[in-house]
Amino acid sequence: EDQVTQSPEALRLQEGESSSLNCSYTVSGLRGLFWYRQDPGKGPEFLFTLYSAGEEKEKERLKATLTKKESFLHITAPKPEDSATYLCAVQAKTSYDKVIFGPGTSLSVIP
Amino acid sequence: EPEVTQTPSHQVTQMGQEVILRCVPISNHLYFYWYRQILGQKVEFLVSFYNNEISEKSEIFDDQFSVERPDGSNFTLKIRSTKLEDSAMYFCASRSSPAGNTIYFGEGSWLTVV
Repeated sequence: EDQVTQSPEALRLQEGESSSLNCSYTVSGLRGLFWYRQDPGKGPEFLFTLYSAGEEKEKERLKATLTKKESFLHITAPKPEDSATYLCAVQAKTSYDKVIFGPGTSLSVIP
Repeated sequence: EPEVTQTPSHQVTQMGQEVILRCVPISNHLYFYWYRQILGQKVEFLVSFYNNEISEKSEIFDDQFSVERPDGSNFTLKIRSTKLEDSAMYFCASRSSPAGNTIYFGEGSWLTVV
């Protein structure tokens, strides 16, 4: 069964304290892996798509990397406005449309 | 920046009543989706829709659910007879082209069944 797990469940950082969020996935052939940011009561906001092991994408303080079993979202020198839940999601080659989400990591950045 | 818009943002309904949630996907997108998120739980896939028909659906999407694209801009989710366990945030999403490309989500419609 295709599934996505994320760790840690919650992370509390001081402003400027860099860290990484983990996404582990089991999927029958990866078509794409997605990172989204979700603020409370809002819809997921797209951050990155990764397609193959070794690929990396960057946006401001965020960098996403992909291996054959995991993806990492690295946050460099975070600011309070980076506080949100970060969702990892995968699409399997066996499914044309369905995207499977992980439970998310709730990030709090303290000034 | 183009966005997916959803109405209503919040609806309270009596158990057993019918509910229609509405969405306007991004204008040049061809693939449309409904997802839901029960409070404190994962975002779950419900259904995908392309070329005026359902292309894939989950086990959650049973006979009480239906989707429709009644005109060139709207995409709707109907829940025929709501149950307490249907209380959730429902997200509409759209994508411009097939598999692997980015899915863009709306802000959600919060449904409370009482």
